[in-house]
Amino acid sequence: EPEVTQTPSHQVTQMGQEVILRCVPISNHLYFYWYRQILGQKVEFLVSFYNNEISEKSEIFDDQFSVERPDGSNFTLKIRSTKLEDSAMYFCASSEMGAGDTQYFGPGTRLTVL
Amino acid sequence: AQSVTQPDIHITVSEGASLELRCNYSYGATPYLFWYVQSPGQGLQLLLKYFSGDTLVQGIKGFEAEFKRSQSSFNLRKPSVHWSDAAEYFCAVGAGGNKLVFGAGTILRVKS
Repeated sequence: EPEVTQTPSHQVTQMGQEVILRCVPISNHLYFYWYRQILGQKVEFLVSFYNNEISEKSEIFDDQFSVERPDGSNFTLKIRSTKLEDSAMYFCASSEMGAGDTQYFGPGTRLTVL
Repeated sequence: AQSVTQPDIHITVSEGASLELRCNYSYGATPYLFWYVQSPGQGLQLLLKYFSGDTLVQGIKGFEAEFKRSQSSFNLRKPSVHWSDAAEYFCAVGAGGNKLVFGAGTILRVKS
């Protein structure tokens, strides 16, 4: 069964550094998403991406964050100048269609900012 | 704004006992509703979803959920819990646009 994959599984970085989290969505999916879960808190929507552009973003997704689909298979989340509060589990998801369609989640990348 | 409430942070049930996990949502229109399960070190796996039609939906692993519009609820049930069901369960609503809004999750412990 096709699945969403994410690398790395765990990323440790120093405050102020830039990180790139990578995701490979399911191959025939057209919609891509990033969510995050700070330890002990809810899973929160960050951004959705379709047709090579952001279709929706949350208040959390400020200028510190960016997303990109650099090629036909990868979907990345870049966090510039990381802060301690960026420490969280970041989940990538994809869906074939948009609103209401099932989103399939990857296993997550745990980001630790020191 | 859309919101999802899962009132129970932890639930412990005996193996073989029945299970009900509660979920209440806040959304003005008919929502899309989902239950996901997360085992340690794993991603979020879809158990079942409700879009429209029959308010009782069947999912994987013997789970079912019932949409009750009058109560704004979408409770998850299983008649007989297995030890492998121990995990964290998330209710989510697809409420406008593409995003999902998640509840805080319920951690299920199964005792033998």
